[in-house]
Amino acid sequence: DSGVTQTPKHLITATGQRVTLRCSPRSGDLSVYWYQQSLDQGLQFLIQYYNGEERAKGNILERFSAQQFPDLHSELNLSSLELGDSALYFCASSLRVGIGANVLTFGAGSRLTVL
Amino acid sequence: TQLLEQSPQFLSIQEGENLTVYCNSSSVFSSLQWYRQEPGEGPVLLVTVVTGGEVKKLKRLTFQFGDARKDSSLHITAAQPGDTGLYLCAGSSGSARQLTFGSGTQLTVLP
Repeated sequence: DSGVTQTPKHLITATGQRVTLRCSPRSGDLSVYWYQQSLDQGLQFLIQYYNGEERAKGNILERFSAQQFPDLHSELNLSSLELGDSALYFCASSLRVGIGANVLTFGAGSRLTVL
Repeated sequence: TQLLEQSPQFLSIQEGENLTVYCNSSSVFSSLQWYRQEPGEGPVLLVTVVTGGEVKKLKRLTFQFGDARKDSSLHITAAQPGDTGLYLCAGSSGSARQLTFGSGTQLTVLP
């Protein structure tokens, strides 16, 4: 158990639908990152939050949004889902802003299947 | 966009063999990390290297950061079935707030 909790573990839905993925960071970590992992694209950075504020944006589609709440948990909202959105979505947390020599702890991921 | 290319993409070897995985880029990184990911799990950090030419050892795993901080290698001695997994390198630089991950090397060690 890495200390980063992601729910749900598996999710199957239809095209056009909307889903919410949830992440609770490791205790004491203030920064949350969302990554998408697919077979053809590898691990792609989506977005980062630090203590409730957005700090960096990667290849996140406009149909996707995220937020970090005062209790530091984060949610990733995926809307108007397409077949190509099927992937593993990982949340990671770290203590300090920035990467450098910092340690990124990943959750076990949420597997999204869009039919 | 900073790209990290890993090679080989797939590697299947027998238990006891040695292997080397490479991570290359045209960009300079301030630090580089190696992760291992097993099925159904998220990546787990193995090591971080920050100094050009740095070598770090973790039991049978040896990690090296290139002198120019553009590449890295992971060498495994006497591989064991427990080493099976997806090995990912990830780099960060002062201009980027997020880690850039390589495409990964899927290693299978057969008993």
